[in-house]
Amino acid sequence: ELKVEQNPLFLSMQEGKNYTIYCNYSTTSDRLYWYRQDPGKSLESLFVLLSNGAVKQEGRLMASLDTKARLSTLHITAAVHDLSATYFCAVEPNSGYALNFGKGTSLLVTP
Amino acid sequence: DAGITQSPRHKVTETGTPVTLRCHQTENHRYMYWYRQDPGHGLRLIHYSYGVKDTDKGEVSDGYSVSRSKTEDFLLTLESATSSQTSVYFCAISSGGWETQYFGPGTRLLVL
Repeated sequence: ELKVEQNPLFLSMQEGKNYTIYCNYSTTSDRLYWYRQDPGKSLESLFVLLSNGAVKQEGRLMASLDTKARLSTLHITAAVHDLSATYFCAVEPNSGYALNFGKGTSLLVTP
Repeated sequence: DAGITQSPRHKVTETGTPVTLRCHQTENHRYMYWYRQDPGHGLRLIHYSYGVKDTDKGEVSDGYSVSRSKTEDFLLTLESATSSQTSVYFCAISSGGWETQYFGPGTRLLVL
């Protein structure tokens, strides 16, 4: 059974600070996805990481993938309030179609 | 936004009644998925489809069935709803390969 673990599950950070969310997974995969969910809303795709060493950046968010360590990181630079949301990583095993989600990291950015 | 709609968006039903949720897409994507989202569990896959009349079970398929008679529609049925099926249900679509999944707006289901 593929396990996907995110940490931290809850994160409160001040505006302007940097932080990293970690996503570990338990099986061979080189396909990892990050999503954002605002309260009461659907999931929005942020990044698709498809190979070892992949790095994607969008605004204040940067995601990376290390398939050998089975680890992805989502780095937040100079946080702003608009980044407050829940962030999910999801892994697609090399042998399947379906995504396995982490439990999500609830991020609150405060002034 | 990907063209995905879900109906109904909200539903309250009683234990033991059948419930059908509908997911409709206008993107002609091959793959469709049903997830449920519960606090503390993230999203868990219920069933998915890889083509018309081609479906398979996910992690939490007990008590659910699905059907896909057309590319654009994927139905999720709770044959006899239970309180443990109170949840938010999301449909998702993808074109396959390594493309991301696009999610519908969700259906909030309350089983009393």
